[in-house]
Amino acid sequence: NAGVTQTPKFRVLKTGQSMTLLCAQDMNHEYMYWYRQDPGMGLRLIHYSVGEGTTAKGEVPDGYNVSRLKKQNFLLGLESAAPSQTSVYFCASMPGGFTDTQYFGPGTRLTVL
Amino acid sequence: SQQGEEDPQALSIQEGENATMNCSYKTSINNLQWYRQNSGRGLVHLILIRSNEREKHSGRLRVTLDTSKKSSSLLITASRAADTASYFCATAPLNTGGFKTIFGAGTRLFVKA
Repeated sequence: NAGVTQTPKFRVLKTGQSMTLLCAQDMNHEYMYWYRQDPGMGLRLIHYSVGEGTTAKGEVPDGYNVSRLKKQNFLLGLESAAPSQTSVYFCASMPGGFTDTQYFGPGTRLTVL
Repeated sequence: SQQGEEDPQALSIQEGENATMNCSYKTSINNLQWYRQNSGRGLVHLILIRSNEREKHSGRLRVTLDTSKKSSSLLITASRAADTASYFCATAPLNTGGFKTIFGAGTRLFVKA
């Protein structure tokens, strides 16, 4: 099993450009999450999904959109990138039930100029 | 402010010494987890302790939970250079429906060989 994979690993955008980050998991997990991590800080939840076709807002959802059309994939979109969105983005998945272990991807380092 | 807050923010010790990190949180929880993050990598789950447990061991790791004080500690015994990483506590607040985990800002541990 590959676990949780993220594409791309690195990206540089100019202000106003758009992009989509892809997260894929092969563990048949129900729950999936997108976090951002800024220097010296923990992870902040952007959006999450509790199942195929569902999405919900986390702590810092503004400027991001998500979709989960297939159970194994969770996409994070930036419609109009801003320098404040420069961060490392992590995707995670969790089997289900009442809060279990989260499995993390390797991260995507995004720079917005 | 974040649900979980680690203390100290940074810790530097010699190889072979024990490392203790503390976590405090604000609201009632279902469980508390500790994760490790090596530089530039995703988070890796270390140990989970449920609200009805007081102590848990896993190899060189010992975790305690005091729900009356809303605090937890992570002890790494006989530390090794390979333990150098950031350590995060993560809580599952009861009022989030069971599928949201809130991360603290982390403790950066440096183990000198």
